[in-house]
Order: sequence, then structure tokens, then C-alpha cells
Amino acid sequence: ETGVTQTPRHLVMGMTNKKSLKCEQHLGHNAMYWYKQSAKKPLELMFVYNFKEQTENNSVPSRFSPECPNSSHLFLHLHTLQPEDSALYLCASKGPGERQPQHFGDGTRLSIL
Amino acid sequence: GQNIDQPTEMTATEGAIVQINCTYQTSGFNGLFWYQQHAGEAPTFLSYNVLDGLEEKGRFSSFLSRSKGYSYLLLKELQMKDSASYLCAVRGPDSNYQLIWGAGTKLIIKP
Repeated sequence: ETGVTQTPRHLVMGMTNKKSLKCEQHLGHNAMYWYKQSAKKPLELMFVYNFKEQTENNSVPSRFSPECPNSSHLFLHLHTLQPEDSALYLCASKGPGERQPQHFGDGTRLSIL
Repeated sequence: GQNIDQPTEMTATEGAIVQINCTYQTSGFNGLFWYQQHAGEAPTFLSYNVLDGLEEKGRFSSFLSRSKGYSYLLLKELQMKDSASYLCAVRGPDSNYQLIWGAGTKLIIKP
């Protein structure tokens, strides 16, 4: 496989459940990102990791907990989510250099009941 | 503040040309990206501009004017598969290459 792979593609969960989203990149990139995409809104940056170290946390509620065990894998652990957390969650990775674009996975469509 | 504006939706005809505008007001500027996103799929990189002028890549071209805080994406010889959302993103002044995103323009191509 190549590129950025996210699993699962779709997730429905209750507000009291605990689940995790997974992202894997096979591009040799050192930076990985979590974004939230809601309808008709700009992408919201949630977390950034560079060489496994978290470098950005954009005031994300603690019910979202990221984990980056190595430069190729990124997780987003979810628990006690709210209905307004229903959205598309996108993972991206990026190589070194200012001209390098971010490469995205297809996302996880999350629905909170 | 940081703000990026794009039209919400545009409609064009197959075979025609369409221009999607993006204006930005940011505290700094280190380049502008255009992405294409088909429904239910990943955003994919189209173009990058950091200097003023036109960058051409096949049927797609992107223009930048830093003094005006303005960019456009030009799509020629439109095909049905070009129906998608087009996202404009500006890289701000920080050293982490964070992008500031517009809400995207949904482009509908009609036969």
C-alpha cells in the first residue's frame, strides 16, 4: 500500500462509547496531522506531530486524545463524545520542506448518536 | 485575524472554463495551496504558489497576487469528473507549516 490510509471509514458510536481512529502513512513523512471537517466549514486543525512529538494542540477538548507511537502511525482516541463531534476526521502527513503539500487519507465519517 | 474567502458554490458547463477565486487576510504569508476534494474522498494537492504570477499544470492553472491577497484556480476544458470541492489554504508565518483553510468551493459541472 502507498499513501495515507485511515480506518475505519465509517463509525457510529454512542456518547458513552470509547473508540479509536487509526491513520497509517507509507510515504516516509515526519509530520502527521488530525483535522476535523464539518459541512461547509473550513478544515479545523486538531493536532500536529513532528517526529512523534506533539507540536500543536488547537484547544481540542480532552475527549479527543491523540497518540503517535512512531512516524508512520497516528491514532485518535475518542470517549464520551458529543453530537456536535459528528464530522469527517481527516489524517494528513507531510514531508520536509516548505513546498511540500500535505497528503490526506480518505477520512473517517464519525456519527455520534 | 485570519480569514480566507471563497465562493460557496459555482456551476459551469462541460468543455468550458471556470475561475475559482480565493481572497485571504492573514498575519503572514508563506505560500498558497489549492486542493481538490471529491465527495467522500481525500483532498488531493493541485498547486502551490508562493511568488506572484501564474503556475500552469495541464488543464489547471493557479494565479497569485500577494499585494492583493488574492489567488484564483483556473480550470479549462471542464470534464464531468471535475465536479468536486476546491479548497484554498494559506500557510501562515509560523515555522510548523500550518495551513489556514477556506471553506471550499463546490463546483458543479453540467453537460
